[in-house]
Amino acid sequence: EAGVAQSPRYKIIEKRQSVAFWCNPISGHATLYWYQQILGQGPKLLIQFQNNGVVDDSQLPKDRFSAERLKGVDSTLKIQPAKLEDSAVYLCASSLLLRQQETQYFGPGTRLLVL
Amino acid sequence: GQSLEQPSEVTAVEGAIVQINCTYQTSGFYGLSWYQQHDGGAPTFLSYNGLDGLEETGRFSSFLSRSDSYGYLLLQELQMKDSASYFCAVLRGGYNKLIFGAGTRLAVHP
Repeated sequence: EAGVAQSPRYKIIEKRQSVAFWCNPISGHATLYWYQQILGQGPKLLIQFQNNGVVDDSQLPKDRFSAERLKGVDSTLKIQPAKLEDSAVYLCASSLLLRQQETQYFGPGTRLLVL
Repeated sequence: GQSLEQPSEVTAVEGAIVQINCTYQTSGFYGLSWYQQHDGGAPTFLSYNGLDGLEETGRFSSFLSRSDSYGYLLLQELQMKDSASYFCAVLRGGYNKLIFGAGTRLAVHP
């Protein structure tokens, strides 16, 4: 079974530029999560989708971050404009169902450096 | 508010046993999960405790005491490949939402 795919793996941009990350979850997984992991910290949930609907985006900085999952499969996370403090690893995860204790499977992440 | 505390670093030798503690303060507590993350890699699920007591999975065991807001991950027969960061994560009631701690970096030496 293929895992969660993410691209690009690395991205370097200057502040105030925009950037987009792509995620393809495990086939058949209805729930998709985007996390931000700053160096030395644990992952922090940014947004959670169930199929193409948003379940939780309470921690998403909506003035600069946006995400979509239009067809309920792939998802894109965008930052516009980027700030220095956005330098982090952006992890995508998926789970089969939106149900408590459902294991979340993580992708390898996109490492973003904002200069 | 919510918080999780775990040691930042732990060192041990091959073949030894190590315990990584996690204390938490959160509303809506449902259970405690543990994830492993190698440098540059993806977090991978290790264990989950929804009830008090010990869960064993091979060389890894995890424990939860809800009354003490405390849990731990026990790694036995340590191997070099166990060198990684270990995160405890509170599962909050609702929509399978995980709140991660800052992680414990485990270094296993020969």
